[in-house]
Amino acid sequence: DTGVSQDPRHKITKRGQNVTFRCDPISEHNRLYWYRQTLGQGPEFLTYFQNEAQLEKSRLLSDRFSAERPKGSFSTLEIQRTEQGDSAMYLCASSSGGRGSKETQYFGPGTRLLVL
Amino acid sequence: GENVEQHPSTLSVQEGDSAVIKCTYSDSASNYFPWYKQELGKRPQLIIDIRSNVGEKKDQRIAVTLNKTAKHFSLHITETQPEDSAVYFCAANWSGGSYIPTFGRGTSLIVHP
Repeated sequence: DTGVSQDPRHKITKRGQNVTFRCDPISEHNRLYWYRQTLGQGPEFLTYFQNEAQLEKSRLLSDRFSAERPKGSFSTLEIQRTEQGDSAMYLCASSSGGRGSKETQYFGPGTRLLVL
Repeated sequence: GENVEQHPSTLSVQEGDSAVIKCTYSDSASNYFPWYKQELGKRPQLIIDIRSNVGEKKDQRIAVTLNKTAKHFSLHITETQPEDSAVYFCAANWSGGSYIPTFGRGTSLIVHP
């Protein structure tokens, strides 16, 4: 087990509803990443935090998406007014940062979202 | 931005054969190249990685080679076993920047017993 946890593991919602996902990184890791993965694709970067600062957001991340990491530990990803195209696996990863093996990202089990 | 191409998309081999998966990248500044294995319904897990100051790295039956000039890197799995069946993703990352990797689209490896 890599130590990154995500909750919930599965979420089914109706179009137009808001959903929130949580990620708990490995405790000593200061970097936290959110990705989206659809079937047959690799993970697509959404956003990342260094401690509590959100340093970069992908252009894929529409205004309906917001992420927080208030205390530099766990993070939440909220999707407002969900659309069917938001259906995907949302993966969280963490790393301790720096060079060499510290760059390695460890993934959580993901939250699978289905928007009906 | 970085662009990573991965081939083949599907690879079918007999148990005991070798498997090779190839990736190319576009940004010469990329200097860290991890490979992840993702079994069905599970999280991606790092299996091996290589930095740009190294041409080859081995770990038991798995090896990765890097050609910086041609901007391509490959994953080699020898003596494949049915439990090697999974989707494999390559990624390229520039550690001098924001540490955001760009992933390939994945290769589905099927090892037939």
